[in-house]
Amino acid sequence: ETGVTQTPRHLVMGMTNKKSLKCEQHLGHNAMYWYKQSAKKPLELMFVYNFKEQTENNSVPSRFSPECPNSSHLFLHLHTLQPEDSALYLCASSHPLGAPGWDTQYFGPGTRLTVL
Amino acid sequence: RKEVEQDPGPFNVPEGATVAFNCTYSNSASQSFFWYRQDCRKEPKLLMSVYSSGNEDGRFTAQLNRASQYISLLIRDSKLSDSATYLCVVTISSYDKVIFGPGTSLSVIP
Repeated sequence: ETGVTQTPRHLVMGMTNKKSLKCEQHLGHNAMYWYKQSAKKPLELMFVYNFKEQTENNSVPSRFSPECPNSSHLFLHLHTLQPEDSALYLCASSHPLGAPGWDTQYFGPGTRLTVL
Repeated sequence: RKEVEQDPGPFNVPEGATVAFNCTYSNSASQSFFWYRQDCRKEPKLLMSVYSSGNEDGRFTAQLNRASQYISLLIRDSKLSDSATYLCVVTISSYDKVIFGPGTSLSVIP
């Protein structure tokens, strides 16, 4: 399935590195999301974009910086991360917020991040 | 109180068994309800929506009780391939909010 793709699939980085996660959706959606999933914890919503505008920042530390240049692409820029940031980072997309079907989310395969 | 709660399990059941998962939600303004499935080290995928009248998709039956703020998923004739984590999802349209439960782990044993 190639509806929502994420790269890289795996990433190991040091605490002083800067890296970026990329998400691309081919479903014609206009809302995109970043989630964090740590071991044995529920999905945590990080950011929401609707028509390229950020509508939600769920108290995420500034070392995570999202970017949404268009409705098909979403980035998560990472810098000076901590070991506790190690997790699976999932991107999702949906129809625009408030539109029919907005509440069904389609996920990418995730990026498994390890911070050393 | 957490917004969406699920029994974490794990549920270990033999092939062919019937298993039921429960989910409760705290916000009475919740409007849409779903079950997602997440395989080990994979992304969540929509399993089925949940309607007030109850709905069935093959071996899977979902029920919603708005008065009790309770959702259930019943799996009949369990298969090995049903082994996964099942996530209860609730949405609040007025806030454009999608809330995932912590998930219930199921292992179907030969």
